[in-house]
Amino acid sequence: AQKVTQAQTEISVVEKEDVTLDCVYETRDTTYYLFWYKQPPSGELVFLIRRNSFDEQNEISGRYSWNFQKSTSSFNFTITASQVVDSAVYFCALSGYGNEKLTFGTGTRLTIIP
Amino acid sequence: DAGVTQSPTHLIKTRGQQVTLRCSPKSGHDTVSWYQQALGQGPQFIFQYYEEEERQRGNFPDRFSGHQFPNYSSELNVNALLLGDSALYLCASSLGDPFLPLDGYTFGSGTRLTVV
Repeated sequence: AQKVTQAQTEISVVEKEDVTLDCVYETRDTTYYLFWYKQPPSGELVFLIRRNSFDEQNEISGRYSWNFQKSTSSFNFTITASQVVDSAVYFCALSGYGNEKLTFGTGTRLTIIP
Repeated sequence: DAGVTQSPTHLIKTRGQQVTLRCSPKSGHDTVSWYQQALGQGPQFIFQYYEEEERQRGNFPDRFSGHQFPNYSSELNVNALLLGDSALYLCASSLGDPFLPLDGYTFGSGTRLTVV
C-alpha cells in the first residue's frame, strides 16, 4: 500500500522568509512518481512538479526548489523569499508508474504574513 | 486551451437523493479520474475511466458509479446520499499513455457537494 505523510498541518511565516514543507512517503513499487500540488481557496489543484523515482536530481524553479532523497523516502519542498501569493494548501502525492491513481498526503496549510 | 471543466460548481442535496457530477477533460486528454476531498483532508481516489471503461477503482462503495462518453467527458453518480458524502469532488484528466507526461494530471476546480 502507498502512503504519504505531511506532518506539518499548518505553517505561518513572515513574508520574505524561506519555508520548507516536508513530505515522507511509503511504497513497495520500485518505480513511481512523486508530485507537489498547490490548492488555493478556489479549490483547483495546481501542478507544481513531478519527479520520477529514478531521478534523484534536485530541482529549482524560480523561488521553488525540491529535495528528493530516496534513502529517507522524502520529497521536501522549499519556497525561498516567500510571498503572500504563496499562501495556500500544499499537497504531496505519490503514484505508481504510468496512469496510476494518486495517493495524497493530508496537506500543509501555508500562510504568509505580510 | 481549456483546462478541466466541472459542473455544477456547488450543489446541495438531501440525504437519500441521487446526484450526478460532470467533467470535461483538458483538450487532448483521454483519461478521467475522480477524487473526493473531505474538508481538511487530502483528495481520495474514487475511480478512473479510460476508453469508456472503469480502469481503476479506489475504496468506495458501489453507490459511487461513473461513466465516460466517446468525447472523453465523464460523469460521477452517487446514489442514496449520506451526510458523509459532503465533500469537494475533483476531476483530473490525463493522457492514457502509460508514460505519464511531465505535467501529469490536470485538475478541475471541483464540485462542492453538500448533503443535508
